[in-house]
Amino acid sequence: GQNIDQPTEMTATEGAIVQINCTYQTSGFNGLFWYQQHAGEAPTFLSYNVLDGLEEKGRFSSFLSRSKGYSYLLLKELQMKDSASYLCAVKDSNYQLIWGAGTKLIIKP
Amino acid sequence: DGGITQSPKYLFRKEGQNVTLSCEQNLNHDAMYWYRQDPGQGLRLIYYSQIVNDFQKGDIAEGYSVSREKKESFPLTVTSAQKNPTAFYLCATQYGGESQPQHFGDGTRLSIL
Repeated sequence: GQNIDQPTEMTATEGAIVQINCTYQTSGFNGLFWYQQHAGEAPTFLSYNVLDGLEEKGRFSSFLSRSKGYSYLLLKELQMKDSASYLCAVKDSNYQLIWGAGTKLIIKP
Repeated sequence: DGGITQSPKYLFRKEGQNVTLSCEQNLNHDAMYWYRQDPGQGLRLIYYSQIVNDFQKGDIAEGYSVSREKKESFPLTVTSAQKNPTAFYLCATQYGGESQPQHFGDGTRLSIL
């Protein structure tokens, strides 16, 4: 079966750095997406990785290792507004998105 | 104002009743999707459509139906055959190639009365 694993919940301090991991086992790989979702709202797109390596976009970076079936989202200079769930999703061999359950990130002052 | 509009924001269903969730987009995106989100689970695909007058079942299509008569509209009907419909329903669109992200509406929260 296809599986995406993320930690259920993480806590970090305002101004700090946090890394949210995602491991996947899917039938094929055609890219990995990270989304942010505030409670009761729509997911919003953060990043896309299809080749190994690090993609940096402001305070957020995303890393991919296809050989390890592993990605992480790195958030720097954490702000209170970063409190949200972070969703990892992989496009499989049929180009369908397989979604992880999300990681709830709690930011403390 | 461009975007994806889902309505209503909250919906209540009585036993044995069919309800329809609206999804309208003015982004000119070809592909549209319906997902269901339950606590502690990833988004699950219900139906998707890549072109007008054509749609495919996703992983959990039983108890749901859709239509795609216009490019802008992709309504989802939750039928009485769906025995556990309480969830957050999200509509998404996508433009262009496989590297393009899906964009989401604000969702409809459906509950049973």
